Amino acid sequence: AQTVTQSQPEMSVQEAETVTLSCTYDTSESDYYLFWYKQPPSRQMILVIRQEAYKQQNATENRFSVNFQKAAKSFSLKISDSQLGDAAMYFCAYRRGINTGTASKLTFGTGTRLQVTL
Amino acid sequence: DTGVSQNPRHKITKRGQNVTFRCDPISEHNRLYWYRQTLGQGPEFLTYFQNEAQLEKSRLLSDRFSAERPKGSFSTLEIQRTEQGDSAMYLCASSLDPANTEAFFGQGTRLTVV
Repeated sequence: AQTVTQSQPEMSVQEAETVTLSCTYDTSESDYYLFWYKQPPSRQMILVIRQEAYKQQNATENRFSVNFQKAAKSFSLKISDSQLGDAAMYFCAYRRGINTGTASKLTFGTGTRLQVTL
Repeated sequence: DTGVSQNPRHKITKRGQNVTFRCDPISEHNRLYWYRQTLGQGPEFLTYFQNEAQLEKSRLLSDRFSAERPKGSFSTLEIQRTEQGDSAMYLCASSLDPANTEAFFGQGTRLTVV
């Protein structure tokens, strides 16, 4: 079974600074996707960024980028120029590849609560 | 269409009562997922529908839980004889097909069993 581990329950960053959230995962499969989801208080979870395992290039989305280390099974999220609106729970998630014939369900980590201070 | 809609947003019920939640996915999405999220944890998969067919159920989905998706549109999740351990946020997500890997989530239904 696949597992996703987030070892940082809480992180804090000053506005305009950079912060990195850590995630490790365990799988025996070669075809999979990794995601970072953001869950603001009392609001729905939204996708921040995703990474296909077969791609060597790290994904980037504006101020968000990942450091995908496939051999180490590590998938960290870097948030640059942090903004107050970035404050939320961040979940790392794993999904098996589209060719595996499975339900494509997501396996989540326990989350990291990010605080952004002035 | 404004996204995945879940109702009610909050539900307080007495132990032993039955409750039903509703999820309306994004209209063209054929895949629908239910997850449960307890305090301090990430969402855990409960069940999955492709159109009207329920194709996978987690071991977390005890026989007190049942889910339906008639006609492949909205879905309902019913919990019978609720227990305090059922208190959680129940999340619904939908996606289009295997080629589109993004799942869109609703705001969830928070269940409190007293």
